[in-house]
Amino acid sequence: KAGVTQTPRYLIKTRGQQVTLSCSPISGHRSVSWYQQTPGQGLQFLFEYFSETQRNKGNFPGRFSGRQFSNSRSEMNVSTLELGDSALYLCASSFSQGTGFADTQYFGPGTRLTVL
Amino acid sequence: EDKVVQSPLSLVVHEGDTVTLNCSYEVTNFRSLLWYKQEKKAPTFLFMLTSSGIEKKSGRLSSILDKKELFSILNITATQTGDSAVYLCAVEAKGDDKIIFGKGTRLHILP
Repeated sequence: KAGVTQTPRYLIKTRGQQVTLSCSPISGHRSVSWYQQTPGQGLQFLFEYFSETQRNKGNFPGRFSGRQFSNSRSEMNVSTLELGDSALYLCASSFSQGTGFADTQYFGPGTRLTVL
Repeated sequence: EDKVVQSPLSLVVHEGDTVTLNCSYEVTNFRSLLWYKQEKKAPTFLFMLTSSGIEKKSGRLSSILDKKELFSILNITATQTGDSAVYLCAVEAKGDDKIIFGKGTRLHILP
């Protein structure tokens, strides 16, 4: 079974631009979560999508948005980029039966975003 | 291929027991090893380990890294029901700047 894939792997943008990152989950997985990983802040939860609906949301400004398609692929968009948005953005997928207990998540390799 | 393997995959113990979770890795250009606790959706950071043989401790939790044998353990003493979670181990790699996660150990503490 193919793992979680994220594209692109590296991205360089300038302040004020917008960016779209893509995540393809493991086949059969319906939940996709997005995280921001920075050296100072560690892993921070952005949002989770399940069956094309945002199910959970972290404490990020509205500039960060996402969506999920009917094939469970997900995109994350960041508008009006700031220098502080430079980070590794990770996507994780899980089967997620919604039991309320963390399902096993499978992480992708991440997209390294650098904002200049 | 870089990989991080955690064991056991799941563990059920009684409150008050001590548990040891294992994480072994094969990652080129190792930078650091990270432990996270994940209860619902957002993992919370526990430890970052970069040097071999130095124990990191926080309350009832402690962790140590062995860079020669390429593994780390996370110990939890006097477990409580609130320790029930999935514990994730991840390794950061230099160079191609990536982080590889293990599949986690699902820990369930019975009252």
